[in-house]
Amino acid sequence: DGGITQSPKYLFRKEGQNVTLSCEQNLNHDAMYWYRQDPGQGLRLIYYSQIVNDFQKGDIAEGYSVSREKKESFPLTVTSAQKNPTAFYLCASSIGGAQTYEQYFGPGTRLTVT
Amino acid sequence: AQTVTQSQPEMSVQEAETVTLSCTYDTSENNYYLFWYKQPPSRQMILVIRQEAYKQQNATENRFSVNFQKAAKSFSLKISDSQLGDTAMYFCAFLSTDTDKLIFGTGTRLQVFP
Repeated sequence: DGGITQSPKYLFRKEGQNVTLSCEQNLNHDAMYWYRQDPGQGLRLIYYSQIVNDFQKGDIAEGYSVSREKKESFPLTVTSAQKNPTAFYLCASSIGGAQTYEQYFGPGTRLTVT
Repeated sequence: AQTVTQSQPEMSVQEAETVTLSCTYDTSENNYYLFWYKQPPSRQMILVIRQEAYKQQNATENRFSVNFQKAAKSFSLKISDSQLGDTAMYFCAFLSTDTDKLIFGTGTRLQVFP
């Protein structure tokens, strides 16, 4: 089955610790995205990558970092510099390239930092 | 900058009835895409329907259809023959063909009652 996987579903960390969220896709998509969702708000873009070894900041990149060493993987690190990291994090991918296509989402990771 | 507005935080409808969710957007672009995504309690984001701005014909997907008014920058979703499984948050989203960034509204929570 083709799709996007995010692990784990729930993640708990102590304040001051960095944590890495996993996102893997086997759709052969070029583009991948990370979003944050807070209660009562829509999704906000953290980082995106349109091709391997390249990525750009989204609207709320401060306190986050990413890497894109492989086409199928786009991990997100929430650093201790992120002031309010508790949120629901969604990863997405799209075909990318010259055409604009819809984005498909993974099941998400709920991060709680105490 | 593009913005997406969903003015109905909550809606309810009886099973088998029809409901319309509103969405307006603001952009200076001429080519773009619009989407409706559904987020059930599982929090998985599911693509419901997509509309290309250059197409005058309104998109339909089974019980879901849109009313796309480009001049008015309006993109409403009509759900016919509502089912209990339609209960979810519904997000309207705008995709720029220039930036490939997806911009979300704040969502409408739809409750379908038996």
